[in-house]
Amino acid sequence: RKEVEQDPGPFNVPEGATVAFNCTYSNSASQSFFWYRQDCRKEPKLLMSVYSSGNEDGRFTAQLNRASQYISLLIRDSKLSDSATYLCVVNMRNTNAGKSTFGDGTTLTVKP
Amino acid sequence: DVKVTQSSRYLVKRTGEKVFLECVQDMDHENMFWYRQDPGLGLRLIYFSYDVKMKEKGDIPEGYSVSREKKERFSLILESASTNQTSMYLCASSLTWGNQPQHFGDGTRLSIL
Repeated sequence: RKEVEQDPGPFNVPEGATVAFNCTYSNSASQSFFWYRQDCRKEPKLLMSVYSSGNEDGRFTAQLNRASQYISLLIRDSKLSDSATYLCVVNMRNTNAGKSTFGDGTTLTVKP
Repeated sequence: DVKVTQSSRYLVKRTGEKVFLECVQDMDHENMFWYRQDPGLGLRLIYFSYDVKMKEKGDIPEGYSVSREKKERFSLILESASTNQTSMYLCASSLTWGNQPQHFGDGTRLSIL
């Protein structure tokens, strides 16, 4: 079983739709959590950190559920420019160098 | 903004050559990482470093070595390039361990012929 698992998709949604991705992690010692966005043939870029109380950045909302060991990303009012692969990332506690474990990503395509 | 710069966007080398990939960050980050990314396999950690002259193996270190002589620079070395090392190579850095995110360079698309 992978340490971090994501539904690979693809998720195909119309413009304006609301879409949600989940990501589960297996290590209960996980300390910090992030969502990255990766466009085709480009590098991953930090989208947002995920805080215990949940956090929002414009149309994007991230949630953490420690009891069930998953994080989620909600995108409201989807835009064509949201089409990308979304990676969830988990940092474990007490590891050297903030070693991160990356999910394989969920692919989103927003269509007109 | 954090700036992580990789020396080449595209690189073509021949089998058996020694290949150097360079990465520089300008934010005084302690930690630096080298990954490769292949279709269907996600990001895989090759090596990382949490201090100058310190290095640790990641998940797939075979065929690679690294060098960190200065805090801002982390080099990945393919000792004798092989065709199965054709890939996208990504360098990243982060401030400290724990709750800090990693920031990536633009990546180097390396082809070994």
